[in-house]
This record gives sequence, C-alpha cells and structure tokens, in this order.
Amino acid sequence: DVKVTQSSRYLVKRTGEKVFLECVQDMDHENMFWYRQDPGLGLRLIYFSYDVKMKEKGDIPEGYSVSREKKERFSLILESASTNQTSMYLCASRSHLDQPQHFGDGTRLSIL
Amino acid sequence: AQKVTQAQTEISVVEKEDVTLDCVYETRDTTYYLFWYKQPPSGELVFLIRRNSFDEQNEISGRYSWNFQKSTSSFNFTITASQVVDSAVYFCALSEAGRGNLIFGKGTKLSVKP
Repeated sequence: DVKVTQSSRYLVKRTGEKVFLECVQDMDHENMFWYRQDPGLGLRLIYFSYDVKMKEKGDIPEGYSVSREKKERFSLILESASTNQTSMYLCASRSHLDQPQHFGDGTRLSIL
Repeated sequence: AQKVTQAQTEISVVEKEDVTLDCVYETRDTTYYLFWYKQPPSGELVFLIRRNSFDEQNEISGRYSWNFQKSTSSFNFTITASQVVDSAVYFCALSEAGRGNLIFGKGTKLSVKP
C-alpha cells in the first residue's frame, strides 16, 4: 500500500512566522502535490512537482513556495504566515499521469 | 474549461437505504480519467475508483457501484444498503489533460443515521 506521511496532524503558528509542512511518500512516486481544503471551496491545488527539483504552480500559489530536493519528500513553505492561510493542507503522490493520487492524513494549520 | 459539479451538498439517509451521489463533469478532452474519493471525519482522502474515458462499463465493488455515462457526462456513485460507516464527504474528480492534475467537485456530505 502507498503510504503518504505528513509531519503533523495539527499545527498552530503565529502571523509572520515561516512555516514548513513536510510530506514523505514511500512508493518512489514521480509526482507530488499540495492542496488546501476550505469549507465551501473544496480542494484547491497550490503547487505540484513532476520530479526532483521540478515544481509548477497550481491554482493558488500566492504566499507559498515548495521544495523537492529528494524524490520522496515534498515540502510546502509559508514564507510569512497570515491568518487567511488557516486551512487543512493535504499532500498527495502519484506514480503516473493516469494513476490515482494517494493522499496523506492532512495537516490542520491554524495561524493566530 | 474543465469542471466537476456535485449538485448535492448534503444527503441524509437512514441505515439500509440506498443512496446515489451525482457527479457531472465538463471537459473538451477525449482522453480523461474520473475518480471518486471518500473523506471520513478523520480527514484523510481515500481513493475509491478510477475510470478512463474509453471504458463505460459500470463497476460494482461490494455495496458500491458506479455508473459512467459519457452521453450525459456523468459518473454517479451508488451505495446499496448504506451503513453508518459510510458517513463521509465524497468527492468526484476529473484528471486534467496534459498535466493530469485533479479537478475536484465541492463534495457531497453523506450522513447515514442508525
């Protein structure tokens, strides 16, 4: 079974802090994704990566950056956290274009 | 533009009832993939099924069945004899051509009461 692990289930940070959300997958998947989920808005894609050191912007990249130095790890960075970034963050990985994405348990992030 | 619509925001049924969750999609692509995911209260998204655009065969897996109809651009999900453990938010998703990113519907929250 595919295992996607997100470093924290719950996280509380202060505005202005630099926040790191980590995601690790154990299936040697090429593709990795970061989404945020908000009530009424569904899941929205922040960034994705097709391979190591490659990244592409999704639908809502503003205020975020990502890092993929190793194939198994994809990090989401909030450069200067703001209260409107309080949300549920979901990481996913996938082997190929036509395969399903497998998700981690999610990180519920609160910015105070 | 690619779009997925789940018109039912919330559905409430009593245990053992059958329930159908609707999904309508829009795409200009001839090759695409459709997915259903389940999100229980614990929060993780669980993959249920994948369908490609060339395979219109309906699928049954235990109490779950899926009806894919290209003519109406629909990919509906039916749970037979629902159980309390089926309570969750269910998402339909379309795989975008080229990059293969998922476009999600807004989800349908299913509550199954004992």
